[in-house]
Amino acid sequence: AQSVSQHNHHVILSEAASLELGCNYSYGGTVNLFWYVQYPGQHLQLLLKYFSGDPLVKGIKGFEAEFIKSKFSFNLRKPSVQWSDTAEYFCAVKVRGGGKLIFGQGTELSVKP
Amino acid sequence: DTGVSQDPRHKITKRGQNVTFRCDPISEHNRLYWYRQTLGQGPEFLTYFQNEAQLEKSRLLSDRFSAERPKGSFSTLEIQRTEQGDSAMYLCASSLAGTSESSSYNEQFFGPGTRLTVL
Repeated sequence: AQSVSQHNHHVILSEAASLELGCNYSYGGTVNLFWYVQYPGQHLQLLLKYFSGDPLVKGIKGFEAEFIKSKFSFNLRKPSVQWSDTAEYFCAVKVRGGGKLIFGQGTELSVKP
Repeated sequence: DTGVSQDPRHKITKRGQNVTFRCDPISEHNRLYWYRQTLGQGPEFLTYFQNEAQLEKSRLLSDRFSAERPKGSFSTLEIQRTEQGDSAMYLCASSLAGTSESSSYNEQFFGPGTRLTVL
C-alpha cells in the first residue's frame, strides 16, 4: 500500500530562518505530489503541486518543493520564514490515474517573531 | 463564496446515535471526496464519487458508514450507531476529473470540515 512519511512532527524556527520539511512516499509508479497548508482555524489549502515536467515547483507565499524521483522525496523549502507561516503542513500523494490523496501525518511549524 | 461548504460545522452526539453530514462541492466539480482527520494526523481517505457513482471506499469505512451523492451534486455521509472512536474532523473535497492528468484536473479543494464529538 502507498504511504507518505513526513520526517518532522514539530519544527520551531525564528523569523528569517530557512525552512526545509521532508516528505518521502512509497510507491513505485507515477505519482502526483502536493503540499497542503492548514493555518490555525482555517481549512486545508493547496500550497503547491507537482504533476510533470520541471521537478522544482514554486507555490504560493514563496514556498517551493523539489521532486527527486530516485529518492521518492518531495521536500518543501522556503528561504526565509515569517511569523505568518505558522501552520500545519501536509504532504500528499496521488497515484496517477487514481482519485484519493494519501497524506503524511503533518508537520507543525511554529515561527517565533 | 464558491468554495466547498460543509454542514454542520460542529456536531456533538451521544454514543449510539446516528449523525448525517452534508457537503456541497464547487459547482462544476464532478468528483467529491470524504476524508477523516484525527488530532495530530493527516487526513485519511474514506470514499469518493464521480458524479453519482461511488468509485472507491476505504477499508476504514465500516458498515456503520454510508455515503451518497444521489444527483451528482451534494453528498451526505451518515454514521450509524456512533462510537467514541468516530470523534474526528470529517473533511469533504471536490475536484474536476477528466481523461487528462494535467494539473487543472485532479486538484482537490477542501471544505472547512465537520467536527464530530461523540460523548
